[in-house]
Amino acid sequence: QSALTQPRSVSGSPGQSITISCTGTSSDIGGYNYVSWYQQHPGKAPKFIIYDVTKRPSGVPDRFSGSKSGNTASLTISGLQAEDEADYHCCSYRGFYSAWVFGGGTKVTVL
Amino acid sequence: EVQLVQSGAEVKKPGESLRMSCKGHGYNFTNYWINWVRQMPGKGLEWMGSIDPSDSYTSYRPSFQGHVTISADKFLNTAYLQWSSLKVSDTAIYYCARRMQGTKWFDSWGQGTLVTVSS
Repeated sequence: QSALTQPRSVSGSPGQSITISCTGTSSDIGGYNYVSWYQQHPGKAPKFIIYDVTKRPSGVPDRFSGSKSGNTASLTISGLQAEDEADYHCCSYRGFYSAWVFGGGTKVTVL
Repeated sequence: EVQLVQSGAEVKKPGESLRMSCKGHGYNFTNYWINWVRQMPGKGLEWMGSIDPSDSYTSYRPSFQGHVTISADKFLNTAYLQWSSLKVSDTAIYYCARRMQGTKWFDSWGQGTLVTVSS
């Protein structure tokens, strides 16, 4: 069982918006503004798409956005495209020994 | 171009030892921590531990402490993850990922190394 809780799957039609939730505790998501998100296509390495809750690295389309409220972080994909079909993993800093915790991953399907 | 290049897939028997590598290209290796992340079949990602290549200071997730060893050779720009006695439950893909000092995200990942442990 993963430390952070994500829905196993989310689906949407091209052009629609979807939101993936990631629920933790006050020891991780709620305690730090250090949530990051990673996109992983089948058979590929993860790629980071959001850091520090809301920031996008250069080269990541602005249809990807992040937010946080309390112990829950969210990733929204607006204007869903076929190439967005992938697994998405949330991650939060938790402090010294546990350091980083991940969610179980959410499979996004573009209908 | 920044790249982390990992060693190839391994097939091992329970009780055998293993060392895998992660070589950094295109950046100052000692400016970034190297982290190891496990992905068991069909599961999510799990942070195992990390190393600062500049001084080989390590940090482990408690559940991995004592079962794996993380090391680095800053002169070879290479980090390592090793086991002295593998278990069937170590079957997984292992990724290395770098993190810049002072940041809290992993900005570049290796391609992953598949380890299969079976009798």
